Amino acid sequence: SQTIHQWPATLVQPVGSPLSLECTVEGTSNPNLYWYRQAAGRGLQLLFYSVGIGQISSEVPQNLSASRPQDRQFILSSKKLLLSDSGFYLCAWSPLQGKAEAFFGQGTRLTVV
Amino acid sequence: AQSVTQLDSQVPVFEEAPVELRCNYSSSVSVYLFWYVQYPNQGLQLLLKYLSGSTLVKGINGFEAEFNKSQTSFHLRKPSVHISDTAEYFCAVSDAGSTGFQKLVFGTGTRLLVSP
Repeated sequence: SQTIHQWPATLVQPVGSPLSLECTVEGTSNPNLYWYRQAAGRGLQLLFYSVGIGQISSEVPQNLSASRPQDRQFILSSKKLLLSDSGFYLCAWSPLQGKAEAFFGQGTRLTVV
Repeated sequence: AQSVTQLDSQVPVFEEAPVELRCNYSSSVSVYLFWYVQYPNQGLQLLLKYLSGSTLVKGINGFEAEFNKSQTSFHLRKPSVHISDTAEYFCAVSDAGSTGFQKLVFGTGTRLLVSP
């Protein structure tokens, strides 16, 4: 069966510090991968998606970037965090040719102080 | 492009009472529809999905939803809720005509609060 791992679960970082959140998927090949951010009262906002190694699409211009160095690894990064980067970040995957059903990781609560 | 509206940000209900969480969508093409549940500080779990066929969809934990194309709605229902149903519920839509990558568009969520 497929599983998705996301870490860390919580993170407190000072403004201006770098960020690296990692997500890995097991039990499947060539998944579509996603990073979402959830802010209170605003639902889920798609930040990045990837359909293959090295292929990243950005949905919203921002202070963040994403990379996919391996087929089942998706990384969310920032060189310098802003207060507005605080939120709950969710990684997700869907089958390459699936019906758009996405499977989510447990999320990372990021607080920028 | 699709969009989803969940008009109720919060729905309080007593235990064992029925509940309906409303979801309306906007799309110029055929859609797939989903309901997800999120417990505090956790990821999202799929409750149910509509892809095609019967408009009444049954999901996990006793939930069901009905796709109404004319009203562009996909309301979630449960005949008798439990305390453990307290969570945030998200409705989502995607383009049924796309092949390969499909983008899920989420509503802003409805917080279900079940009290004894």
